[in-house]
Amino acid sequence: EVQLVQSGAEVKKPGESLRISCTGSGYIFTTYWIAWVRQMPGAGLEWVGVIYPGDSETRSSPSFPGHVTISADKSISTAYLQWNSLKASDTAIYYCTRFVAEKDLKYVDLWGRGTLVTVSS
Amino acid sequence: QSVLTQPPSVSGTPGQRVTVSCSGSTSNIGSNTVSWYQQLPGTAPKLLIYGNNQRPSGVPDRFSGSKSGTSASLAISGLQSEEEADYYCAAWDDSVNSPVFGGGTKLTVL
Repeated sequence: EVQLVQSGAEVKKPGESLRISCTGSGYIFTTYWIAWVRQMPGAGLEWVGVIYPGDSETRSSPSFPGHVTISADKSISTAYLQWNSLKASDTAIYYCTRFVAEKDLKYVDLWGRGTLVTVSS
Repeated sequence: QSVLTQPPSVSGTPGQRVTVSCSGSTSNIGSNTVSWYQQLPGTAPKLLIYGNNQRPSGVPDRFSGSKSGTSASLAISGLQSEEEADYYCAAWDDSVNSPVFGGGTKLTVL
């Protein structure tokens, strides 16, 4: 079965660091982009950034300049989203997704279940 | 405020046909294809339409997509109660070199 399995919910304090993960299975992990999408409480979807596990090329959304780091370890088919210093405004569900980019077609064809990150003092 | 504009809500009765609109600009919808996603309450989104009007396998043909200029639409015919959900449009935006989403439309089945 083709799927993206995300790490479990996290509760952190402001200023703490965090890394959440996403493991792909059932397909060749290095041949698709992995994108992270944020959904704040009661809000819509926002693009965080993408990584191509094949060569670790990364692109971040202009809305998240330098605040998060996206990485991947292709040897274990896993992508990561990392914060060095969390803020309360980082509280959200973070979805790991598989992003298709073929010529004129660009879309998300597979979603993980999401990781709830709660940042509170 | 989202780059793509969707109505906050739409409603319909079972069996009815409803449409959800998505308005953008020349840098996103006007230049690139549109995809649509369904998010049932408490779950992750799911792909409904890609490439403006293509359905992935498993998506009923009651769901259809279209695009004209800088706007797109999702139509659902034969509305069913279990389709009460949030619907999002998305497209690549050449000006920010990343995808952008609509703000989402809540579909209520009366």
